[in-house]
Amino acid sequence: GAGVSQSPSNKVTEKGKDVELRCDPISGHTALYWYRQSLGQGLEFLIYFQGNSAPDKSGLPSDRFSAERTGGSVSTLTIQRTQQEDSAVYLCASSSFPSSYNSPLHFGNGTRLTVT
Amino acid sequence: RKEVEQDPGPFNVPEGATVAFNCTYSNSASQSFFWYRQDCRKEPKLLMSVYSSGNEDGRFTAQLNRASQYISLLIRDSKLSDSATYLCVVNMGNYGQNFVFGPGTRLSVLP
Repeated sequence: GAGVSQSPSNKVTEKGKDVELRCDPISGHTALYWYRQSLGQGLEFLIYFQGNSAPDKSGLPSDRFSAERTGGSVSTLTIQRTQQEDSAVYLCASSSFPSSYNSPLHFGNGTRLTVT
Repeated sequence: RKEVEQDPGPFNVPEGATVAFNCTYSNSASQSFFWYRQDCRKEPKLLMSVYSSGNEDGRFTAQLNRASQYISLLIRDSKLSDSATYLCVVNMGNYGQNFVFGPGTRLSVLP
């Protein structure tokens, strides 16, 4: 079956521009997470959506970052006025937790963002 | 104290060796446990879930000790293709960032 799909796979943008990153989770997964990973570093939690509940935005690094999840499925992460320090791989993951107690996270291939 | 801690590594082992990774977690109410592997410049991929009674998948064995809040991963007969970073992941079951990742342990299997 289809896994988590992210687009674009690579994005190069100029400093100051806005970017949108898309994530299409596994069908039926109610939980959706965004992480970012800088080169050689661990995963940094950004935001978590669970069904129709208010998202947990506690990991967003600044108000330039926002995310939406429409219809409980596709999610878009938007970065406004990009800065060079935003360069990283942005990873999306979905899970059927909590409906499936032991459900793991399934990751997409990520979007590699480079801000020049 | 970090919520999930792992052996700092890196581990450099010869092919055919047996290697064990350890992980500890802080939240005694944690609900589920996983090992992921991450290859360089790739996304994390699920290696195996960790069950209370311990479980095995081919050359890989995972153990869970809830009393000590400790998880382990044993790799037998290491292959070159096992070279990767191994991530311990704990679902702490709280609202929000319930999947907590350890910092990872890097393994290099040498010919």
